[in-house]
Amino acid sequence: SQTIHQWPATLVQPVGSPLSLECTVEGTSNPNLYWYRQAAGRGLQLLFYSVGIGQISSEVPQNLSASRPQDRQFILSSKKLLLSDSGFYLCAWTLSGRAGNEQFFGPGTRLTVL
Amino acid sequence: GENVEQHPSTLSVQEGDSAVIKCTYSDSASNYFPWYKQELGKRPQLIIDIRSNVGEKKDQRIAVTLNKTAKHFSLHITETQPEDSAVYFCAASDSFQKLVFGTGTRLLVSP
Repeated sequence: SQTIHQWPATLVQPVGSPLSLECTVEGTSNPNLYWYRQAAGRGLQLLFYSVGIGQISSEVPQNLSASRPQDRQFILSSKKLLLSDSGFYLCAWTLSGRAGNEQFFGPGTRLTVL
Repeated sequence: GENVEQHPSTLSVQEGDSAVIKCTYSDSASNYFPWYKQELGKRPQLIIDIRSNVGEKKDQRIAVTLNKTAKHFSLHITETQPEDSAVYFCAASDSFQKLVFGTGTRLLVSP
């Protein structure tokens, strides 16, 4: 069966520090991968998605970037965090090649920028 | 691009009552409409979904209806229980399997 992992689970970082969040999927090949951010008490904002290794589409221009160095690995990064980057970061995956597939979410990383 | 609106933002019901959450979407090409339940501090979990070739789908106490002409879909929960209390999100898939989410409905079921 498929499993999605995210780490770390929680993170407290000072403003201006770098960020690296990692997501990995097990049990499937060539998944579509997504990064979402959820501010406290708010909805889900799609940040990036990827349909293959090295293929990244950005949905919202900001100080974040994403990379997909391996088929089942998706990384979210920042060179300098802002206070507004605080939130709950969720990685998700779907099977590729067929529209309308369920998105499976990882357990999330709760980021607090101080 | 797709835009999804969700109402109400909060909904309080008594245990045993029914709850209805409504969403509208803008892109007539959207063809997949899932509903997610998110408990506090947890990841969203899919509870039911519907595709554009189906008008209604039911799974025990929950059901979803889709009106393609009017571009709206609704979640119906019958015989609500306190454990149904959570935030519910609707979503629509526009292309490349991207989901556009509604802003969420906080459902509170009182015993």
